Amino acid sequence: QKEVEQNSGPLSVPEGAIASLNCTYSDRGSQSFFWYRQYSGKSPELIMSIYSNGDKEDGRFTAQLNKASQYVSLLIRDSQPSDSATYLCAVTHGRGDKIIFGKGTRLHILP
Amino acid sequence: GAGVSQSPRYKVAKRGQDVALRCDPISGHVSLFWYQQALGQGPEFLTYFQNEAQLDKSGLPSDRFFAERPEGSVSTLKIQRTQQEDSAVYLCASSPTGGPEAFFGQGTRLTVV
Repeated sequence: QKEVEQNSGPLSVPEGAIASLNCTYSDRGSQSFFWYRQYSGKSPELIMSIYSNGDKEDGRFTAQLNKASQYVSLLIRDSQPSDSATYLCAVTHGRGDKIIFGKGTRLHILP
Repeated sequence: GAGVSQSPRYKVAKRGQDVALRCDPISGHVSLFWYQQALGQGPEFLTYFQNEAQLDKSGLPSDRFFAERPEGSVSTLKIQRTQQEDSAVYLCASSPTGGPEAFFGQGTRLTVV
């Protein structure tokens, strides 16, 4: 079993709608959880981090964490064409700083 | 510098050639990570350092891969006797004070021909 699982997509969402991206992880000891955005040909860019159960909001982005279900999600409100990218879920491995990535979900915002 | 700097940005190597990829992390960042990213895939963990100590090298695919960070700052990833399957983007990331939020450099695209 891959340590971090994401649906590869593509996920197509109309402009202005809410995009919902999901991720599951296998290591119950993971402490830190991240969402990175990666545009084609560019390096990953950190957009959200979350460390405790519940929701964390930053602008149009909301990260949600449920450690009991080993589930992390990212909601993007009022989706814009510039949000079209691959979104990478990442978690720390055990209690250390090693960060493991999922394969990413391609998001396409339809104008 | 303001961000993580990697060099070269692009490298073409003949099969069997040795290559060295450089990463200059954000000043003062304690942790440094190397990842390998194939086209259409997420970054695959290779190794990471905390200061000069290599704490985990479990992701290095073979003994042809070697990484070092002798003074706890700049790091070099060396690949000996390159093979075609080594073609990928090699990403370096650093994080402050041992904390987990990592910031990436622009990567080195290695093509082995």
